[in-house]
Amino acid sequence: DAGVIQSPRHEVTEMGQEVTLRCKPISGHNSLFWYRQTMMRGLELLIYFNNNVPIDDSGMPEDRFSAKMPNASFSTLKIQPSEPRDSAVYFCASSPGSSYNSPLHFGNGTRLTVT
Amino acid sequence: KQEVTQIPAALSVPEGENLVLNCSFTDSAIYNLQWFRQDPGKGLTSLLLIQSSQREQTSGRLNASLDKSSGRSTLYIAASQPGDSATYLCAVATGANSKLTFGKGITLSVRP
Repeated sequence: DAGVIQSPRHEVTEMGQEVTLRCKPISGHNSLFWYRQTMMRGLELLIYFNNNVPIDDSGMPEDRFSAKMPNASFSTLKIQPSEPRDSAVYFCASSPGSSYNSPLHFGNGTRLTVT
Repeated sequence: KQEVTQIPAALSVPEGENLVLNCSFTDSAIYNLQWFRQDPGKGLTSLLLIQSSQREQTSGRLNASLDKSSGRSTLYIAASQPGDSATYLCAVATGANSKLTFGKGITLSVRP
């Protein structure tokens, strides 16, 4: 099992540019989560999908952020336009269950720097 | 709103010491609590998950306890090793489909 795969590992972009982060969850997992981690705020849930359907997107900070899960093996998080305050590490995680009753499996994250 | 606190933010101990990492939460009506480990530049690895009906969980040298009434959990690491050096985070779910609330973690350094 390759685990949760995220790409790219690092992204440096200029303010105003569009950024797309990608995630491949573990095969067979029903739930997928996007988190953001910063020193100031710690880990924050952005959005949670179950069976490819967004269940909770209350953590998505603004309309500049959007997430899709077109199929069970792929998800994207898009920021358009990006701003310096979006700089953070973005994690994707998957879980075999339909709720938080199962341990989460995290990818290694994408470190985003917006200048 | 659930808040999760982990104090201290950092801890340094000599190899071989038994140690306890603390986690406190404000809302005792939790669904479960998880402890994670995060190595530098990596994602989180789930260590232990304790359901609200359980008092503790064990895995190898790790033991996690849960006291809902006092809003506390502890992660006990026996005979610490340099390889245990990492950041340890606890996270609380207040419902089956509610989001996990994470603490900011405790960065542990085990000195050889």
